[in-house]
Amino acid sequence: QSALTQPRSVSGSPGQSVTISCTGTRSDVGGYNYVSWYQQHPGKAPKLMIYDVNKRPSGVPDRFSGSKSGNTASLTISGLQAEDESDYYCCSFAGSDTFWVFGGGTNLTVL
Amino acid sequence: QVQLQESGPGLVKPSQTLSLTCSVSGGSVSSGDYYWSWIRQHPGKGLEWIGYIYSSGSTYYNPSLKSRVSISLDTSKNQFSLEVTSVTAADTAVYYCATKRPNAFDIWGQGTMVTVSS
Repeated sequence: QSALTQPRSVSGSPGQSVTISCTGTRSDVGGYNYVSWYQQHPGKAPKLMIYDVNKRPSGVPDRFSGSKSGNTASLTISGLQAEDESDYYCCSFAGSDTFWVFGGGTNLTVL
Repeated sequence: QVQLQESGPGLVKPSQTLSLTCSVSGGSVSSGDYYWSWIRQHPGKGLEWIGYIYSSGSTYYNPSLKSRVSISLDTSKNQFSLEVTSVTAADTAVYYCATKRPNAFDIWGQGTMVTVSS
């Protein structure tokens, strides 16, 4: 069982927006602004999409955005495109004993 | 741009030691720019942080694996390595090496599948 809770699946139509939630505790998501999001296509390595809750690495489209409220972080993808269909994982720092925890992953289907 | 490549046996027997190496190009394991990390993914499951090492040699491990895991640097070969002792079927996974800078895992290797089986 993963430390952070994500919905198993979400879906949306091309052009729509979807939001993926990532729920933790005040010991991880709620306690630090070190939430990151990763996109993973089948058979491929994860790719960093968001770091420090809401920052985008160079090259990541601005259709991807992140936010946090309390113990829940969210990844929003606007203007859905077919290539966004993938698995998405959240990750959070969880203090100097546990360090880093991941969510169980969410499968995004573009209808 | 740093690139990472994992290597090592794809099959390990139960109770033996799993050993993997990550070769680094485009950067130096001796630089203070990154924490050199290992992350694994069980088949069909989510990601699990294993640990990382800094250029100073300081190591940080997932407390659930700490008693069986060791990460080391080889500056002469510009590589870093992972050892997991006393493996069981539960250690069967795709193992990724990655860089952490500063609060996310920004560069990943392609991953290597390790199966624990007799």
